[in-house]
Amino acid sequence: GAGVSQTPSNKVTEKGKYVELRCDPISGHTALYWYRQSLGQGPEFLIYFQGTGAADDSGLPNDRFFAVRPEGSVSTLKIQRTERGDSAVYLCASSSGRGNQETQYFGPGTRLLVL
Amino acid sequence: AQSVTQLDSQVPVFEEAPVELRCNYSSSVSVYLFWYVQYPNQGLQLLLKYLSGSTLVKGINGFEAEFNKSQTSFHLRKPSVHISDTAEYFCAVSRGISGGSYIPTFGRGTSLIVHP
Repeated sequence: GAGVSQTPSNKVTEKGKYVELRCDPISGHTALYWYRQSLGQGPEFLIYFQGTGAADDSGLPNDRFFAVRPEGSVSTLKIQRTERGDSAVYLCASSSGRGNQETQYFGPGTRLLVL
Repeated sequence: AQSVTQLDSQVPVFEEAPVELRCNYSSSVSVYLFWYVQYPNQGLQLLLKYLSGSTLVKGINGFEAEFNKSQTSFHLRKPSVHISDTAEYFCAVSRGISGGSYIPTFGRGTSLIVHP
C-alpha cells in the first residue's frame, strides 16, 4: 500500500517568503508528526496531531511555524517570514495511534533551502 | 529531560564483518528505546524497539540490540553486514504520552559504511 508522501520533495525560497509543506499520511492513520532534520543532526520533533487537533506543539521553534490538519488526514506545515536557519529537511510521520509506542512511518521528507 | 548520545559519527567496516553501533541515553523516567535506519534518499525506517520485557531485542535485516539499564546503553549489533546495510542509523529514546503515542528524541546518527 501507499506510504507517507510529502510534497514538494525540494523547495527553494528566498529569505522572508512564506512556504507550505504538505504531508499525506497513510490512509486511516490518526496520528501525524512533523520533524525537522538539520544537516548532520537527527530529526527534532516539531508537532504532533491526533486527529484534527494538535496534541503537542511544544517543538515548534517560534510563532513563524504553524501546522494544520483540518480533516484529520492531510497536514500542512506553514512557515512565515522564512530565515536561512530554517533550511533543513522536514519530515512527516504517521501512525495508527491505537496503542502505546505504535510504529511511526516516515515520509521521504521535503528539503527546504532558504537563500 | 531525556537525551541520546551516539558515540560514533561514522563506522567503516568490511562486508561480512560484525558491527556494533553504540548508543547511550539519559532519562529520569522509564524509557522506550528505538533504532531507525535511513537509506539514501529514503525516509526513516524502524529497525527495532525496546518497550519492556527481554533486554535483547531482534529487529529487521538481522539487526539486534541489547538494553542495559545499569549502563544506560542500547547498542545495535549485526554479526555479518552487507553492502546494502550502508546507511545512517539513528538511536532514539521516548517517553509515553497520553493518547497512546510517543515522541522520540533522536541522536545525531551514525553513518555505517560497508566496504567490499
